[in-house]
Amino acid sequence: DVKVTQSSRYLVKRTGEKVFLECVQDMDHENMFWYRQDPGLGLRLIYFSYDVKMKEKGDIPEGYSVSREKKERFSLILESASTNQTSMYLCASSLGGTFPGYTFGSGTRLTVV
Amino acid sequence: KQEVTQIPAALSVPEGENLVLNCSFTDSAIYNLQWFRQDPGKGLTSLLLIQSSQREQTSGRLNASLDKSSGRSTLYIAASQPGDSATYLCAARQGGSEKLVFGKGTKLTVNP
Repeated sequence: DVKVTQSSRYLVKRTGEKVFLECVQDMDHENMFWYRQDPGLGLRLIYFSYDVKMKEKGDIPEGYSVSREKKERFSLILESASTNQTSMYLCASSLGGTFPGYTFGSGTRLTVV
Repeated sequence: KQEVTQIPAALSVPEGENLVLNCSFTDSAIYNLQWFRQDPGKGLTSLLLIQSSQREQTSGRLNASLDKSSGRSTLYIAASQPGDSATYLCAARQGGSEKLVFGKGTKLTVNP
């Protein structure tokens, strides 16, 4: 069965820290995505990657960067964490092209204090 | 820009009832539409995906329909059970894009 794994379920970080959220997929998918989910705002796309070392900004990239050095791994980086980045972060992958469907990870609940 | 809306935001029904969740989208040039389930504090689980050329998809007690011309999709749940309690999200993928645009979800509570 296909799998997207996010390394942490819960994280607590301090304001100003550099934070890394890791996501690994085992399906040889081309595309990987980072979303954040907030009450009343739904899921919003932060960044996505359509190939190794390729990335594209989503709707809310400010304060974030990403890294995809290997096909299976997509990292979200909070350069200097702030309290307004407290959220649920969801990673997803898809094969892309004419192949349908996304697979999501279990999410990382990040709290910035 | 595609916008996806789900109404109502919350729904409470007694066990055994058949119910319909609604999803509307503003741009009919979609590639596919996907329904997800999300349990509290968890990730999203894919339920059904309908390609733009299809009218409906079924899986067990779930049936999803798609009407591109009217910009609507519905998720029908038959004989609801307390275990169906969750938030249900729909998401549209545009033609020419790999990205999904999500609705804000309908929180379903099935009461025993």
